[in-house]
Amino acid sequence: QKEVEQNSGPLSVPEGAIASLNCTYSDRGSQSFFWYRQYSGKSPELIMSIYSNGDKEDGRFTAQLNKASQYVSLLIRDSQPSDSATYLCAVTISNFGNEKLTFGTGTRLTIIP
Amino acid sequence: EAQVTQNPRYLITVTGKKLTVTCSQNMNHEYMSWYRQDPGLGLRQIYYSMNVEVTDKGDVPEGYKVSRKEKRNFPLILESPSPNQTSLYFCASSLTGTGSPEAFFGQGTRLTVV
Repeated sequence: QKEVEQNSGPLSVPEGAIASLNCTYSDRGSQSFFWYRQYSGKSPELIMSIYSNGDKEDGRFTAQLNKASQYVSLLIRDSQPSDSATYLCAVTISNFGNEKLTFGTGTRLTIIP
Repeated sequence: EAQVTQNPRYLITVTGKKLTVTCSQNMNHEYMSWYRQDPGLGLRQIYYSMNVEVTDKGDVPEGYKVSRKEKRNFPLILESPSPNQTSLYFCASSLTGTGSPEAFFGQGTRLTVV
């Protein structure tokens, strides 16, 4: 089982709709969760971080965390063509007392005008 | 401006010719790491460093070396590059512990080994 799993997509969503991206992780001790956006050929950029169960909203983005079920999701409301990118889920995994940031393989999102 | 700087951005080299990709951060982060990114495989960690003179293997360390002599610099060394090391490489830095472990990435280095 991979430590962090994402559906690779591609996920196609009409402009203006809600895009829903999901991620599951294997380490029950994980404490920190992140969503990165990566445009083709560019470096990942952090868009959301979440540390406790529940929802966290930032503009059009909402991160949802459920530690009991070991999943974290990202909702993008009012999707725009500029949201077309690969979204990487990252989770801190305990590694001999230290935290290691582990990435999923990413979900490619395409917003259709 | 807080940033992670990688050089070079693009590099084409021949098999067996030693090369170094530099990485420097100005945020006083303890933790630095190198990733490679290949289609369908996501970001895979090569090596990481918890602090000066403290380095350890990541998930795909074969064929790579690193050093951490100063806190700000973390170069990636390919002693004898091979075509299967053709990839997009990212350096990242972050704080350690449970404070703010989100990673800040460099601009990437696209390496082609022929």
